[in-house]
Amino acid sequence: KAGVTQTPRYLIKTRGQQVTLSCSPISGHRSVSWYQQTPGQGLQFLFEYFSETQRNKGNFPGRFSGRQFSNSRSEMNVSTLELGDSALYLCASSPLPSGTGNSYEQYFGPGTRLTVT
Amino acid sequence: AQKVTQAQTEISVVEKEDVTLDCVYETRDTTYYLFWYKQPPSGELVFLIRRNSFDEQNEISGRYSWNFQKSTSSFNFTITASQVVDSAVYFCALYSNYQLIWGAGTKLIIKP
Repeated sequence: KAGVTQTPRYLIKTRGQQVTLSCSPISGHRSVSWYQQTPGQGLQFLFEYFSETQRNKGNFPGRFSGRQFSNSRSEMNVSTLELGDSALYLCASSPLPSGTGNSYEQYFGPGTRLTVT
Repeated sequence: AQKVTQAQTEISVVEKEDVTLDCVYETRDTTYYLFWYKQPPSGELVFLIRRNSFDEQNEISGRYSWNFQKSTSSFNFTITASQVVDSAVYFCALYSNYQLIWGAGTKLIIKP
């Protein structure tokens, strides 16, 4: 089974621009979560999608948004980029969503490293 | 409040030594899950173990072992006879109340 794939792997953007990152979950997995990882803040939960619906959202400004398609692929978008948005963005997939009594074991992709200049 | 504390920022040992990574968590929930993940330099987080709050049995998997103690809210991870390939950042995480809360990570350096 193919793992979680994320594209692109590396991205350089300028302040004020917007960016879209893509994540393809493991086949059969319908839950996709996004995380931001920075040296200062560590790993922080962004949001979770299941069946094209956002189930949970972390404490991030509205500039961060996402969506999920009917094939479970997900995209996240960051508008009006700031220098502080430079980070590794990780996507994780799970067979079931959080809160369904499952143990929420997630499988992570390699991440997209975003650099904002 | 839910929190995961990994007090050891960085640990450096010589190959073949045993090493223990500490994890202390806080939650008011009675049902929760604890995880350990490994993040090698490539960046991809690799799942190592999951433990639910009702199962305090310790687990051993090869050179890896985990000690879960609810009385001290700790879920420590021990690598026996460490190898250079064990060098990575290790994260402890708590799943509770629909959120996955991460510790800050412990960077483990195994010197040959």
